Amino acid sequence: GESVGLHLPTLSVQEGDNSIINCAYSNSASDYFIWYKQESGKGPQFIIDIRSNMDKRQGQRVTVLLNKTVKHLSLQIAATQPGDSAVYFCAEKAGGSSGSARQLTFGSGTQLTVLP
Amino acid sequence: DSGVTQTPKHLITATGQRVTLRCSPRSGDLSVYWYQQSLDQGLQFLIQYYNGEERAKGNILERFSAQQFPDLHSELNLSSLELGDSALYFCASSPTWDRGNGYTFGSGTRLTVV
Repeated sequence: GESVGLHLPTLSVQEGDNSIINCAYSNSASDYFIWYKQESGKGPQFIIDIRSNMDKRQGQRVTVLLNKTVKHLSLQIAATQPGDSAVYFCAEKAGGSSGSARQLTFGSGTQLTVLP
Repeated sequence: DSGVTQTPKHLITATGQRVTLRCSPRSGDLSVYWYQQSLDQGLQFLIQYYNGEERAKGNILERFSAQQFPDLHSELNLSSLELGDSALYFCASSPTWDRGNGYTFGSGTRLTVV
């Protein structure tokens, strides 16, 4: 079936540096994408989203880039802080009228570790 | 606090047993989603309810069932438990069944089957 996958399972960055987390998706019908952050012992927390009619969206210290041509999504975190250490998931939602088709499909996650 | 409440936080039970996980959605949200998170499978969608009715099914085993009550809280029932059912079970909620965007997740229930 369709799947969302991440390029790297782990990423270590120095505090203060910028982080880039990548995600590949395979469902060309997906029209909505979300990045979630999951800290240990907690549920996934919404970070930022983007619709397929956009290629870039910025939030506070975070930017999501969408390249529909190559089905690639990335999350950029500026000036990474220790509190950013977590697992980051991308998720996609496909268009269509089917109830199942509108569910979020999650990638496998990337563990971000911020080094002091 | 996300506003989505899941109980219990931890559950240890034996194989063959049956357990019930409970979820109270965020105030005003009508949709509830259940996800299973295991080490080798990531977050897998199980089932969705909207305003008391089943809306969509994902990779939910026949041994598992769920329902949403008139007060909108939901319960996920897991029966004939196997070791492989050990996982984190998350509930999420959203305002509507389809036009909702990001979901709000609870903190999860960690189920350990021994």
